[in-house]
Formats: sequence, C-alpha cells, structure tokens
Amino acid sequence: EAQVTQNPRYLITVTGKKLTVTCSQNMNHEYMSWYRQDPGLGLRQIYYSMNVEVTDKGDVPEGYKVSRKEKRNFPLILESPSPNQTSLYFCASSLETGAYEQYFGPGTRLTVT
Amino acid sequence: GQQVMQIPQYQHVQEGEDFTTYCNSSTTLSNIQWYKQRPGGHPVFLIQLVKSGEVKKQKRLTFQFGEAKKNSSLHITATQTTDVGTYFCASSGAGSYQLTFGKGTKLSVIP
Repeated sequence: EAQVTQNPRYLITVTGKKLTVTCSQNMNHEYMSWYRQDPGLGLRQIYYSMNVEVTDKGDVPEGYKVSRKEKRNFPLILESPSPNQTSLYFCASSLETGAYEQYFGPGTRLTVT
Repeated sequence: GQQVMQIPQYQHVQEGEDFTTYCNSSTTLSNIQWYKQRPGGHPVFLIQLVKSGEVKKQKRLTFQFGEAKKNSSLHITATQTTDVGTYFCASSGAGSYQLTFGKGTKLSVIP
C-alpha cells in the first residue's frame, strides 16, 4: 500500500530536549516536505527536499533541521525544542516538485512544555 | 512562498445547502490544488487545476480556476454530513519548488 508514515504520532517533551520525528514514504517520490499546522494559520511549510541531499527552507524553518540521506526518509529534527514549537506536524511527499499531488502522513502531535 | 488568501475561514450550512470557498492571489498562479482534511485526519488531495478558466467536477464538487489564474473556487452542491472538514487550496509559483497553502475553510454541516 502506497503510504507516508510518521513516528511518533504523539509526543510530549520538555524544553531543550532534542527530538527527531521520522518520515518515510514507499512511493519512490523525489519531493518530500514538512509542514506544521496551527489553529487559524493553516499549513505552513518548514523544509522541503527535491531529492537526496537537496533540501531548502520553507516559510518557517527556524528551530528545525532536516536531512535527506535516502530517498525514502526525511526526518525532522528539533535540536532544542521550545513551547512555540508545540504543533501538529505533517510530512508529505510527491512525485517531483510541489506542483504535484501531495501525499500526507498521518501527522505527529507534538507538545513541548 | 507566494501568498494565497482563502475565504471564508468558517462556514456553517444546513444539510442540503450549497457551499463555496474561494482562493485568491495577487499574483498569477501556475497551478492550484485543493485538499480536504477531515476532523482529526490529514489533508487529502482532491484535484489540481492548471489551465486558465478550467472547470472540473467530481460528483457534487465543482472546481474552477479563474481566467487570469489569480483565483479559484470550490463549490459543493447539496452538502452532506460527509462533507464536513477543512478545505485548503495550495499553489506553487512558476519555477518554484515550494507549495503554499491557504489557511483553509472549515465547513460544518448541520443535519
């Protein structure tokens, strides 16, 4: 089954404790991205990747890191989480660029206290 | 990324009434995508429009792309409770790898 998986689905952590949210897709997609969703603000792109070892900043990259060492995986790293990073995070992938249909993962609800 | 403004933010309708959400941009859009997110779920792709003046239909849903490619609309005829959710438009600029989403329209359907 074609899908995008994210782990963990829920995470409660404390300020400053490094964490990684994993994202994996099995569709051989080149383009992957991370979004955060906050009430009233919609979906905002954090980072995106056009292919292996090629990443670029989205609209809200501060406080986040990403890497794309393999085509299928695109982890999101929070080196020192802060309460303003409490949000619902979605990973997405598409065939090539953002101009193609995005397939979203189930989401990761992160709470930073 | 380029800005896409979506209105209204919320819409409450009686079951059977029609619903429309609008997406507007001050710049020409190369394409427009529409997504639906059910409560507690993730966004799911509905459709993509790329041509000026394009109209596409999916059962009770009608999607339009403006002649100037600066606006788009999603119209649902005779809403049902299964239509509940938030509808997002999204677009990427010409030559851009970035996809920008509107803030969404949350649809509630009163049975």
